[in-house]
Amino acid sequence: GAVVSQHPSWVICKSGTSVKIECRSLDFQATTMFWYRQFPKQSLMLMATSNEGSKATYEQGVEKDKFLINHASLTLSTLTVTSAHPEDSSFYICSARAGGEQFFGPGTRLTVL
Amino acid sequence: KNQVEQSPQSLIILEGKNCTLQCNYTVSPFSNLRWYKQDTGRGPVSLTIMTFSENTKSNGRYTATLDADTKQSSLHITASQLSDSASYICVVRGGYSGGGADGLTFGKGTHLIIQP
Repeated sequence: GAVVSQHPSWVICKSGTSVKIECRSLDFQATTMFWYRQFPKQSLMLMATSNEGSKATYEQGVEKDKFLINHASLTLSTLTVTSAHPEDSSFYICSARAGGEQFFGPGTRLTVL
Repeated sequence: KNQVEQSPQSLIILEGKNCTLQCNYTVSPFSNLRWYKQDTGRGPVSLTIMTFSENTKSNGRYTATLDADTKQSSLHITASQLSDSASYICVVRGGYSGGGADGLTFGKGTHLIIQP
C-alpha cells in the first residue's frame, strides 16, 4: 500500500517551453502532497506544499509563477515548470502524506536544452 | 537552526563487508527519525523509523540505532550486497516550529558503493 507514482519518469524539452509533471497516490487519498527538487549528490530540497482544493504553499526562494502547482483531486497533484531554462534541469520528486508519513514518488528527471 | 548532518559523505566497501553510516541532528523538539534508501534516479524508500523511546530497529540486513540524548543515529548494513549501492538519507521529524514542511529536516545523504 501507499504507492505514489510520477509521470513522466524523464523529459527533455527545449528552453522556453513548459513541462507538466504529474504525481498520483495510487491506493490512498492525500490531501497534502509535497514537491521536492534534487540536484546531483544533494539531498531533497522542498519546493512547495500542495493542498487539495487550495493554493500551494511555496518555500522561500521558489517562484510560484514559474512552478505552478495544482492539486485538483485527492489523488493527483501537478507541477508545471513554465518557460523552462537549463538551470531548471533537475530531479523532481513528489511525496504524498498518509497516516503521518510521507511516501515518495519515483521522481522525474527534467533536462532542459 | 534544525540540522541533520550525515557522515561519511561517500563510502566504498567490498561486497560482503559490513558498514555503518552516521547521522547527527539538532532538530528540536524531536518526533522521529527515518532512514531512507534512494537508488540512483529513483525516489527515497523508507528503511526504518524510530521514535524517542526506541534504541534499535532492524529491517533485514539494516539495523538502525538511536541515541536521543546525544542526538545521534546510525545505520548498520550487514553482509553488504551489490544492490545496497545507493544513497542513504537520514530524515528527522521535529516540531512544526523549526523543521521544514511537515516538520521534516533532511540530511544530505551518504553515497554508498558496493564493489564486487
